[in-house]
Amino acid sequence: DAGVTQSPTHLIKTRGQQVTLRCSPKSGHDTVSWYQQALGQGPQFIFQYYEEEERQRGNFPDRFSGHQFPNYSSELNVNALLLGDSALYLCASSLMLAGAYEQYFGPGTRLTVT
Amino acid sequence: AQSVTQLGSHVSVSEGALVLLRCNYSSSVPPYLFWYVQYPNQGLQLLLKYTSAATLVKGINGFEAEFKKSETSFHLTKPSAHMSDAAEYFCAVSPIYNQGGKLIFGQGTELSVKP
Repeated sequence: DAGVTQSPTHLIKTRGQQVTLRCSPKSGHDTVSWYQQALGQGPQFIFQYYEEEERQRGNFPDRFSGHQFPNYSSELNVNALLLGDSALYLCASSLMLAGAYEQYFGPGTRLTVT
Repeated sequence: AQSVTQLGSHVSVSEGALVLLRCNYSSSVPPYLFWYVQYPNQGLQLLLKYTSAATLVKGINGFEAEFKKSETSFHLTKPSAHMSDAAEYFCAVSPIYNQGGKLIFGQGTELSVKP
């Protein structure tokens, strides 16, 4: 049973560039949430996707956008990168029918902005 | 707004000693509560969860946590620490009214285990 997978593992970008991160949910899950974890901090909720729509959003600027595909996989896009966007980006999947509370996390994508 | 406080950013115990990691939440309505563990350079692994059933919750790797509404606490314990328990531990809440949305995490507690 495949767990949550994310790609790429690491990424280095320059300020002002754009980046796309990808996530495949755990088999059987239909809901994907994205979190940003800065060094030494707890994860911060970015947004959640269900049925290909953004269902909830945290306190992040519009530079952060996402998408969910019919196969439930998801992308996180960040435009106009800032140094402060350097972080571990975590994807979590869950099942909406079960309440979506129990979220399973992927290994994350480490983004470094120089 | 909901918040989670983890007392102690670093906790150090000897191998075989009791592990106690503290978590308090702020909410007028008890939320769903979770403990996650994060090993270096890895994602988060769910240790255990409280979702309005039994107040004493048993998780993986010998960990357990007790929900105490009167104290708004959900402390994590393990009777005997093992070297492999060294990691970062996060307490998280999911407001019930949020209907399965975001998790709100604490700042984390780094657990060190001395031989």
